Parts: sequence; structure tokens; C-alpha cells
Amino acid sequence: DVKVTQSSRYLVKRTGEKVFLECVQDMDHENMFWYRQDPGLGLRLIYFSYDVKMKEKGDIPEGYSVSREKKERFSLILESASTNQTSMYLCASSLGSSRHEQYFGPGTRLTVT
Amino acid sequence: AQTVTQSQPEMSVQEAETVTLSCTYDTSENNYYLFWYKQPPSRQMILVIRQEAYKQQNATENRFSVNFQKAAKSFSLKISDSQLGDTAMYFCAFMKHDLPGANSKLTFGKGITLSVRP
Repeated sequence: DVKVTQSSRYLVKRTGEKVFLECVQDMDHENMFWYRQDPGLGLRLIYFSYDVKMKEKGDIPEGYSVSREKKERFSLILESASTNQTSMYLCASSLGSSRHEQYFGPGTRLTVT
Repeated sequence: AQTVTQSQPEMSVQEAETVTLSCTYDTSENNYYLFWYKQPPSRQMILVIRQEAYKQQNATENRFSVNFQKAAKSFSLKISDSQLGDTAMYFCAFMKHDLPGANSKLTFGKGITLSVRP
């Protein structure tokens, strides 16, 4: 079974703090993704990576950065957290093949106060 | 750019009955994939069913089936014999068919909350 894990289920941070969200997958997947999920808006893609040290912006990259130093790990960084970044953050991974099915982590509910 | 529309925010169904969740999409692509994902309350998002656009036959997975109408750009999910464990948020999603290793991004709809009543 594919397993995608995220470092925290719940996180509370203060405005202006630097925040790291970690995601690890154990299936040697090439692609990894970060989404945020907000009520009424569905899932929106923040960043994705198709190889180590490679990244591409998604639909809402502003205020975020990412890091992928190893194939299995993809980090989302909030350089200076703001209250409008309070959200559920979902990580996903997929094979770089025609299967293209994405496997999701359990999510991190981040609250910025 | 692709868009995915789920116009019903909520639905409710009696246990053991059948329910259909609607999804429409807009794209100029000819080859693509469509997905339905399920997110149970406080649990992980999982894939329910997948459809390749070049296949005319509708995909089926046990109690779950789709009605894929390419010309109408419609992709509905039918759940037969609904069970309490089907209570969840359901997302319709679209992906272009790219070459292996290309950027396989999903575009999601806003989701629909399905409640199964005992």
C-alpha cells in the first residue's frame, strides 16, 4: 500500500512565524503535490514537484515556497504566516507514468492566530 | 485552462438506495482522465473511480459507477446500495493526458457533501 504521511495533523502558529509542513511518501513516486482545502473552494494546487530539486508553481503559490531535497520528502514553507493561510493542507504523490493516480496524506489543519 | 463544476453542494440519501452525484467540466483537450475522490470525515482522501476519456465504456468499481458523456462534458458518479460508510465529501477531478513524466496536475471541483441516512 502507498503511504503518504504528514508531520502534523494539527498546528497552531502565530502571525509572522516561519512554518514548515513536511510530507513523506514511501513508494518512490516521482511527483509530489501540495494543496490547500477551504470550504466552498475545493482543493487548490499550491506547488508541485516532478523530480528532486524540481518544482513548479500551482494555482496559488503566493506566500508559499517548497523544498524537495530527497525524492521521498516534499516540504511546504510559509515564510511569514498570515491569518489568511489558516487552512487544511493536503500533500499527495503519484507515479510519473500514465497511471497518474494521486495518493493523499491525512492533511494538516493549520491555524494562524 | 480546465474547469470542473460540481453544482450541488450537498445531497442526502437513504441507506440502501441509489444516488447520483453530478459533475461537468470544460476543456479543449481530447485525451484526459477523470476521477472521483472520496474524503470521509476526518479521514484521508481516497480514489473511488477513474475514467479514461478515450474509453467509451463507463468505469465501474463494485457499487460505484460513472456515466461519462464526452460530448456533453459530463461525468456523474452513481452509488448503488448506499451504505453509512459512504458518508463523505466527494470531489470530481480532471487531468490532461500527458507523456510519462510530464506534469500530471489535477484540477478539482469544489466538492459535494453526501450524507447517508440510516
